[in-house]
This record gives sequence, C-alpha cells and structure tokens, in this order.
Amino acid sequence: RKEVEQDPGPFNVPEGATVAFNCTYSNSASQSFFWYRQDCRKEPKLLMSVYSSGNEDGRFTAQLNRASQYISLLIRDSKLSDSATYLCVVTGNYGGSQGNLIFGKGTKLSVKP
Amino acid sequence: EPEVTQTPSHQVTQMGQEVILRCVPISNHLYFYWYRQILGQKVEFLVSFYNNEISEKSEIFDDQFSVERPDGSNFTLKIRSTKLEDSAMYFCASNPRGHEQYFGPGTRLTVT
Repeated sequence: RKEVEQDPGPFNVPEGATVAFNCTYSNSASQSFFWYRQDCRKEPKLLMSVYSSGNEDGRFTAQLNRASQYISLLIRDSKLSDSATYLCVVTGNYGGSQGNLIFGKGTKLSVKP
Repeated sequence: EPEVTQTPSHQVTQMGQEVILRCVPISNHLYFYWYRQILGQKVEFLVSFYNNEISEKSEIFDDQFSVERPDGSNFTLKIRSTKLEDSAMYFCASNPRGHEQYFGPGTRLTVT
C-alpha cells in the first residue's frame, strides 16, 4: 500500500471553479499534515498545515479525518495562478513536525481562462 | 523573508565523480533535511540532521551519501561516486523547532 495516495489528476477547470483534492495516508502514527504546491521544476512550497478541526486560509480550506486517514483541500473561486501540482504531505517515522516528510505524487491542476 | 538557498542550481557530472551540493538553511532553524525528486516522480526523503548529527535516514541514503555542517551556516550533501540513477532535483529544507519545513530552490544534478 502506498504511503500517501492522491487523485491521479490532472484537473482542468475554468477560472472561478471550485476544486477538491483528496488524499489518504497509511501511517496512523503520522502526526502532522500539510498541503504543498509545486510549480513545474520548482521546489515544494508550503500552502497550509492541516488540523483535525479543519482550517481555512482565504479561498483554501483543508480538512483532516484521522479515523479515516483522509485529508482534503478545497480551492474556491480558482485563479489562473492556482495552476500547479498540489502535494499531500504527512510526517513519517518520527512524527511531529520535526520528522521527515512523506509526499504523495501530487495532483496537477490547470485553471483555464 | 528569510529563505533557504542552494548552490549550484545545476550540476552536470560524469558517472563515478564526486559531487557536493550546498545549502544555507534559514538562520534560526535547527533541523535540516535533504530530499530528492527524480523527474516525473514524487519527492523522496533522504536524510535529516539535528544537533550536528544524522537523526534519520531513508534506504536511499546509502554509503555513497554523506552530509555535513562544516560551519554555522552551510549544510552539504556529498555523493561519493555518482551513478546515472542519481540524476534528480535535490532539495534542502529546514525547520525551526515545531514548525513546517521550508524548501530551497533545489539543485538539478545531471549524471552523464
């Protein structure tokens, strides 16, 4: 079983659309969860941490369900600049935010005019 | 805003040669990491470093790899004898205690 699984994508959506990304993880000991975005041939950039209570940052909402080992990201009113690959990331063996990160393969999003 | 920096941005080397990839983590961060990403694949953890020693390493990080923090600012990854399959983007990351990891822009390593 893959450690972090994501929708394979790609998602091609018009500007203004709402897009949902889903992710499952296999290590129940993981303690920290994140969404990163990665532009082509660039480094991963932290988009947001994900908390059990759910959290929102502007147009972005993240949810975590520990019982189901499921993480989601919702982007509302998508912009052209949201086009990127979205990476679901969890902490590995050591847990906590000092632990190594385990990345999903990512879901590519293309927002069209 | 402080950033992780990496040099060089692109390194081309011949198989069997040694390479050293350099990183300057964010100055008040305590934890340092190396990751790699083979073209078209996911980002993979290599090694983490804290308090001047390796704290964790993956199965990828074999005897050909080593890390060092030679002074108070640089953090290096050495590959002793490069193989074709070492061609990848290598990302350095750093983490202040208890917070998220921030990545440098990466070094693209091409082994010919």
